[in-house]
Amino acid sequence: DAKTTQPPSMDCAEGRAANLPCNHSTISGNEYVYWYRQIHSQGPQYIIHGLKNNETNEMASLIITEDRKSSTLILPHATLRDTAVYYCIVRVVSNQFYFGTGTSLTVIP
Amino acid sequence: NAGVTQTPKFRILKIGQSMTLQCTQDMNHNYMYWYRQDPGMGLKLIYYSVGAGITDKGEVPNGYNVSRSTTEDFPLRLELAAPSQTSVYFCASSGSHEQYFGPGTRLTVT
Repeated sequence: DAKTTQPPSMDCAEGRAANLPCNHSTISGNEYVYWYRQIHSQGPQYIIHGLKNNETNEMASLIITEDRKSSTLILPHATLRDTAVYYCIVRVVSNQFYFGTGTSLTVIP
Repeated sequence: NAGVTQTPKFRILKIGQSMTLQCTQDMNHNYMYWYRQDPGMGLKLIYYSVGAGITDKGEVPNGYNVSRSTTEDFPLRLELAAPSQTSVYFCASSGSHEQYFGPGTRLTVT
């Protein structure tokens, strides 16, 4: 069973910030949240991960709520190449990753 | 580094046939994973390994077997192919956090 819930699809205007939400209300205290994306039928690509604190890297920012029951992935300036399916994943202590069905993000020119 | 390589890229099997999907990584990662992805769906974990000689079942292990005799290789075996195993198969490896995925094997069972 997927441990995360995401909206099935979202649109974002090119150049604007894309904010992708994720609910993980059953997450345990030592389980990480990961974000991956999949372009067409390629293998998923790692974006970012976090435990409690907000995280930022060259691709995106991850905002995790204080109760850790939800998070938001932010792509600060979306481009057409960011059109993809974005997966929010909880990594359980046994090192298993549970992918849900993801959010299909379409960046519109 | 080649990263994670998978062979073959495509395969068509007849019902009841067997095959092995190959996966190799050159990053000296301890963790390796096999996933399947059905059309329009997310990835489902089939088997995973936390090191050579250690494997464990994921969400959908039925109809598959794995072995991990070396750090580099993690083959996935289908013994009696069924149409329900038509899917795209991804292998992945990871160190402490980031998973690296292979390009996938597209398998059709008819």
